[in-house]
Amino acid sequence: AIQMTQSPSSLSASVGDSVTITCRASQNIRQDLGWYQHKPGSAPRLVIYAASTLQGGVPARISARGSGTDFTLTISSLQPEDFATYYCLHQYNYPQSFGQGTRVDIK
Amino acid sequence: QIQLVQSGVEVKRPGASVKVSCKTSGFSFSSYGFMWVRQAPGSGLEWVGWVSAWNGDTNHSENVEGRITMTTDASTKTVSLELRNLRSDDTAVYYCARGKGLPDYWGQGTLVTVSS
Repeated sequence: AIQMTQSPSSLSASVGDSVTITCRASQNIRQDLGWYQHKPGSAPRLVIYAASTLQGGVPARISARGSGTDFTLTISSLQPEDFATYYCLHQYNYPQSFGQGTRVDIK
Repeated sequence: QIQLVQSGVEVKRPGASVKVSCKTSGFSFSSYGFMWVRQAPGSGLEWVGWVSAWNGDTNHSENVEGRITMTTDASTKTVSLELRNLRSDDTAVYYCARGKGLPDYWGQGTLVTVSS
C-alpha cells in the first residue's frame, strides 16, 4: 500500500501570511492526488484535484503543484476562513490513503 | 441540489455490528461510486473503502478486512456501510462521499461509538 507523508503536522500563521504544506508519496503516483480542507464539525472540502487543478469555487490564493512523489499546497495571503486541517489523498490505486494532516492555526 | 444525508448516532458494544446509511439526491445515483472515510477522535482522516453504484465493485482498507460490507440500492438511492465485529478502535465519525478517487460531495458524518 502507498504511504502518504505530510509535513509539517501543524503550523501557526497570521492572517496575510503565506504557508506551504508538503505531501510525499512512498512511490510514484503521477499526478493522482488531491487536497482537502477540513474544519471541525464539517465535512471535508475538495480544494485541489489532479495535483494542481483548483476545484470550482475555491479561491485562487490556494495553489498546488507536484508530480511523482513530491507535492505541495500553498496558501498565499491567509484569510480567517483558511484556518483548518489540510489532507492530501492519493487516487493512484487501491487502497487509497490520506496523509496525516496539517493543522493550520492562528498565531 | 446534491445531498448526501447520513443516518444518526450509533452506540455499540464490542463484537456487535453497525450499519450506516447514506441517502442521496440531486444526481444520477447509478452513475457514481461512493467512498467511506472515517475520523477517530483526535486523529486524521482514514480511507475505509469504495463501492460502485453501477456494477457493485468494492475495495476496502486492510484495517476492516473481513468485517466490512458496502452496498448500494438504486431504488432508494442509498449507500450503506456495515461493519461487523466492532472494536474500540472503530470508534469514529464515518463519512460517505460521492465519487471515485477524489469525492466532491460529502455526507454530514455519523458518529459510531464502540464501548462496553
